[in-house]
Amino acid sequence: NAGVMQNPRHLVRRRGQEARLRCSPMKGHSHVYWYRQLPEEGLKFMVYLQKENIIDESGMPKERFSAEFPKEGPSILRIQQVVRGDSAAYFCASSPTRQGIQPQHFGDGTRLSIL
Amino acid sequence: DAKTTQPNSMESNEEEPVHLPCNHSTISGTDYIHWYRQLPSQGPEYVIHGLTSNVNNRMASLAIAEDRKSSTLILHRATLRDAAVYYCLPNTDKLIFGTGTRLQVFP
Repeated sequence: NAGVMQNPRHLVRRRGQEARLRCSPMKGHSHVYWYRQLPEEGLKFMVYLQKENIIDESGMPKERFSAEFPKEGPSILRIQQVVRGDSAAYFCASSPTRQGIQPQHFGDGTRLSIL
Repeated sequence: DAKTTQPNSMESNEEEPVHLPCNHSTISGTDYIHWYRQLPSQGPEYVIHGLTSNVNNRMASLAIAEDRKSSTLILHRATLRDAAVYYCLPNTDKLIFGTGTRLQVFP
């Protein structure tokens, strides 16, 4: 009974490159959430998706960031033209229903470093 | 969104009970109260959640005030593995993490 799987665990990119972070939710979970955590800070909500739909992207920067959760395959968080300030840990969580009724289950994150 | 207040840090000795408080005075009537904890270099781990009644599970107990403006996470017998940052989150769809309480457990 695999948990939420995120890959890669560590990702190094140079400024201006693209970063693609993948998240496979737990089996049976159709709700996916992405969070970002800067060093020594709490997690900040970025985006909430349900299969093929973005439900809430209020925490995601308007430029360079995008997220998708296709009918088949993992959810992808994409960061174009990365800058040093994008260095952070990115966590994905999933739940079987809307949050509030069932808890979110988190992956161990992708640590993105920008050179 | 409801605002939460938690102590920055707490300490406990092994085998002792720990009571972690959280104030969420602006919580709405439909917001569940969630508690998560995060160990170093790991993602948050769900601990417990509730709406109005006190809740128990194998990890902890959650005591919710009658007016729902505060709650307390109770670890009945702290172990070294319980050392983590504990987050109290009264939210619905998106979890809004504050700075949490860093719990230190001493042998």
